[in-house]
Amino acid sequence: QKEVEQNSGPLSVPEGAIASLNCTYSDRVSQSFFWYRQYSGKSPELIMSIYSNGDKEDGRFTAQLNKASQYVSLLIRDSQPSDSATYLCAVKGTGTASKLTFGTGTRLQVTL
Amino acid sequence: IAGITQAPTSQILAAGRRMTLRCTQDMRHNAMYWYRQDLGLGLRLIHYSNTAGTTGKGEVPDGYSVSRANTDDFPLTLASAVPSQTSVYFCASSAGARTEAFFGQGTRLTVV
Repeated sequence: QKEVEQNSGPLSVPEGAIASLNCTYSDRVSQSFFWYRQYSGKSPELIMSIYSNGDKEDGRFTAQLNKASQYVSLLIRDSQPSDSATYLCAVKGTGTASKLTFGTGTRLQVTL
Repeated sequence: IAGITQAPTSQILAAGRRMTLRCTQDMRHNAMYWYRQDLGLGLRLIHYSNTAGTTGKGEVPDGYSVSRANTDDFPLTLASAVPSQTSVYFCASSAGARTEAFFGQGTRLTVV
């Protein structure tokens, strides 16, 4: 079992709709959770970080964390064509072993 | 502009040759990482360093070595390149154990 799992997609949503991206992780002691966006041929860029159970909102983006279920999600409201990209979920462990592990990413396509 | 610089941007390398990918950050981040990204496999951690003077193995360390002589630099060396090391390599850094990572622009390496 991979440490961080995501559906590879593509996830296709119409412009203006809500896109929902999901991620599960295997290490129960994980403490930090991140969503990155990566456009083709570019490096990953941070969208959201979340550390506590519940929701965290930033503009059109909402990250949701449920540590009991080992589940983290990203909602994108009012999806735009410019949101079309691959979204990477990343998880960080505890203590000094701060390895940052990524899922394989979900490709999002926002259609006109 | 503060950030992470990788060099070279791209390289074609003959199999069996030695190659060092350079990574420098000016944010005084403690942790640094090397990833390779291959289609369908996502970002896989090669090596990481939590602080100057320490390094650790990631998911796919074989064939690669790293050093962390100071805070700013984290070179990745391929001692004897093989075609399976053809990939896009990303260097990243983060301030601490729980914080997000920032990425360099990547190095596209082709081993022929």
